[in-house]
Amino acid sequence: DTAVSQTPKYLVTQMGNDKSIKCEQNLGHDTMYWYKQDSKKFLKIMFSYNNKELIINETVPNRFSPKSPDKAHLNLHINSLELGDSAVYFCASSQDGFGGYTFGSGTRLTVV
Amino acid sequence: DQQVKQNSPSLSVQEGRISILNCDYTNSMFDYFLWYKKYPAEGPTFLISISSIKDKNEDGRFTVFLNKSAKHLSLHIVPSQPGDSAVYFCAASEGQNFVFGPGTRLSVLP
Repeated sequence: DTAVSQTPKYLVTQMGNDKSIKCEQNLGHDTMYWYKQDSKKFLKIMFSYNNKELIINETVPNRFSPKSPDKAHLNLHINSLELGDSAVYFCASSQDGFGGYTFGSGTRLTVV
Repeated sequence: DQQVKQNSPSLSVQEGRISILNCDYTNSMFDYFLWYKKYPAEGPTFLISISSIKDKNEDGRFTVFLNKSAKHLSLHIVPSQPGDSAVYFCAASEGQNFVFGPGTRLSVLP
């Protein structure tokens, strides 16, 4: 069983569309994250949720909205997609935020 | 099945001494390896990387060693400083696919 699963793995869509990426973890972790990996392989944190509550919200366009229906899920919805949104997005979870992270395999988003 | 393992969840080192963080991988197709550093409440920041065609890469106090036959890489920090206290992630990639290890929490004691 995959511990942190992201779907879809690949997503190609046109500018202006609205899309969602889903993330689910079956580890019982309290904290979940979304990261964006840029072309230089840097991971930039976007959001962090602890027990369904938003605890980190970095400066990302408000077109990006995270949704956590329960502590096992953290979905990322993106409105009005732009070319610059093309990247790999990683979901991750951890128990206490200090270690024992598990990352998903990433979602490669391509906006055309 | 974890393709990238960091078997030490935590490590404590005295200031000024060497910190050695280890990482093992199982997929021989990985061709690029990276280390990230993460402070609490922040995202991981890229630290240093190494291509599979090399066995060593150095950047200031940080050196990464790659032993392909053993499928092992390590990050050396010399000398260790209190500001190095963080969680360190090892990551491996095959093309555009990345796999991250679970992280090792390093504590550098003054």
